[in-house]
Amino acid sequence: TQLLEQSPQFLSIQEGENLTVYCNSSSVFSSLQWYRQEPGEGPVLLVTVVTGGEVKKLKRLTFQFGDARKDSSLHITAAQPGDTGLYLCAGYNFNKFYFGSGTKLNVKP
Amino acid sequence: DAGVIQSPRHEVTEMGQEVTLRCKPISGHNSLFWYRQTMMRGLELLIYFNNNVPIDDSGMPEDRFSAKMPNASFSTLKIQPSEPRDSAVYFCASSLDLMSYEQYFGPGTRLTVT
Repeated sequence: TQLLEQSPQFLSIQEGENLTVYCNSSSVFSSLQWYRQEPGEGPVLLVTVVTGGEVKKLKRLTFQFGDARKDSSLHITAAQPGDTGLYLCAGYNFNKFYFGSGTKLNVKP
Repeated sequence: DAGVIQSPRHEVTEMGQEVTLRCKPISGHNSLFWYRQTMMRGLELLIYFNNNVPIDDSGMPEDRFSAKMPNASFSTLKIQPSEPRDSAVYFCASSLDLMSYEQYFGPGTRLTVT
């Protein structure tokens, strides 16, 4: 089993604060994705990182893939209430996606 | 362009009944995945297809679960007989092919078995 552990599990912050979510594994992945899921909906793909050490930015979100391709982080700058949701990381290997347990983020106005 | 379509969105049934969940992938996508999401176990891959052929069903929990993909635009996940522990949200996702790193999820079917 290729497990992905996410931390923290829950995060409640004020609008305007910064935060970082982590995704760690003992397995090496070909690529890693980050998704955001809102209540009553399916996960929506935010980004895919492929190369060890890769950094991608999506407006206020910064994604990094670890050098060894075992871990990843998601950093949000100046969080807004619209960022509220469940953030899932997913590692890809051998045609399968392995999902982390998720980080539930609540951004209070 | 329409996304992945799932039906029904909600299903409530009694233990022992047969349940069929349906999925229409994005047109042109050749790979289709069925997932189950619960609070306890998170998002679990049940089975996936490529070009309508089941590739890996190792995630299917029991023989009560079966899935088919009779053509490129339709797939079903069937549970017979259903049990209360099958209650979960079932998602279908599709991707261009198995080499594509990106998959697109449907809105899910919330199944409640009483």
